[in-house]
Amino acid sequence: AQKITQTQPGMFVQEKEAVTLDCTYDTSDPSYGLFWYKQPSSGEMIFLIYQGSYDQQNATEGRYSLNFQKARKSANLVISASQLGDSAMYFCAMRTPYGNNRLAFGKGNQVVVIP
Amino acid sequence: DGGITQSPKYLFRKEGQNVTLSCEQNLNHDAMYWYRQDPGQGLRLIYYSQIVNDFQKGDIAEGYSVSREKKESFPLTVTSAQKNPTAFYLCASSTLLGQGSNTGELFFGEGSRLTVL
Repeated sequence: AQKITQTQPGMFVQEKEAVTLDCTYDTSDPSYGLFWYKQPSSGEMIFLIYQGSYDQQNATEGRYSLNFQKARKSANLVISASQLGDSAMYFCAMRTPYGNNRLAFGKGNQVVVIP
Repeated sequence: DGGITQSPKYLFRKEGQNVTLSCEQNLNHDAMYWYRQDPGQGLRLIYYSQIVNDFQKGDIAEGYSVSREKKESFPLTVTSAQKNPTAFYLCASSTLLGQGSNTGELFFGEGSRLTVL
């Protein structure tokens, strides 16, 4: 079965600093996709970044980058130059063919950016 | 604008009543999903559909029902059999893998918050 683990407690980050959010996953499928979503207090889920299991490079999208360590089964999200608007819950998710390509989500990391 | 519309945003229900949450998308996506989110928790899949007139149970389907009569619409009914229905419900859609350059990312609606009184 596929499993996503996010265990960090809530984090406080100083504005303009970088923050790393941990995500580990477990799957026996060689082919899978990893996603990060942001959920502000309003509730909507916002897609941030994607990493495929066969991608050679770590994914980057603006201030978001993914530290993908395949052997360790980790896909940590790095947010550079934090802004007040980055305060939100962040969810890691995985899609595998074994899971019929549905997305399975972790429990999330809470980030609060302080001025 | 293209997107996913969920309604109502807030809903109150008495115990023993069925309620239906609406989800409409104009993204021309084949797949649609319903997730449930409880406070401090991640999203858990209730039902999903990859084609009209077909749907599959997710991890927590008991007490819920869905229909997919049109590609754009995937309503969720929370029945009286659902023992703890108070939660935040999120609808999502996606293309199927193999279509275009998609990654299978989900596009979400703004959610519906159901409270049982």
